[in-house]
Amino acid sequence: AQTVTQSQPEMSVQEAETVTLSCTYDTSENNYYLFWYKQPPSRQMILVIRQEAYKQQNATENRFSVNFQKAAKSFSLKISDSQLGDTAMYFCAFMKRVEWSSYKLIFGSGTRLLVRP
Amino acid sequence: AAGVIQSPRHLIKEKRETATLKCYPIPRHDTVYWYQQGPGQDPQFLISFYEKMQSDKGSIPDRFSAQQFSDYHSELNMSSLELGDSALYFCASKRGSPSYNEQFFGPGTRLTVL
Repeated sequence: AQTVTQSQPEMSVQEAETVTLSCTYDTSENNYYLFWYKQPPSRQMILVIRQEAYKQQNATENRFSVNFQKAAKSFSLKISDSQLGDTAMYFCAFMKRVEWSSYKLIFGSGTRLLVRP
Repeated sequence: AAGVIQSPRHLIKEKRETATLKCYPIPRHDTVYWYQQGPGQDPQFLISFYEKMQSDKGSIPDRFSAQQFSDYHSELNMSSLELGDSALYFCASKRGSPSYNEQFFGPGTRLTVL
């Protein structure tokens, strides 16, 4: 069974600074995807960034980037130039890659990020 | 662009009543997932459907049932509601091919059981 662990329940960062959220996971699978989702106070689940396990290059989306360490089963999210709108709960999630079927997302417990003005 | 539609957005029920939540996936998405998010918790997978067939099952109580219809919309039926069923219920959809890995989430249905 797969598990996802986020060890930082809450974090705080000054506006315009950089913050890193940690995530580790456990799996025996070789093909899978990793995601970071953002859940603002509206409770909408918003995809921030994704990483395919077979790709060695770390994914980047504007101010968001990941540090994917497959051997260590680590998947951290770095937010650069933090903005007030980044204040939200952030969930790390794992999805197994299967053929012609569907697979569920397994979420970590989340990290609540507060960006201070 | 079209998004996942969930209805109703809010629902208040009494204990032991029945509730039906509906999900309309993005056009051409053949896979639907249901997740339950309790207060202060992460979303927990309930059940999924691919091409109208149940494809995976998680921690869904026996009091709950779901199905996917010919137009790919899905309904989650919840009976004998309990206080602990109060939660935000998300529906997500994606295309079934493994080339498409992103699940698109709807806005959720907030269920309150009194």
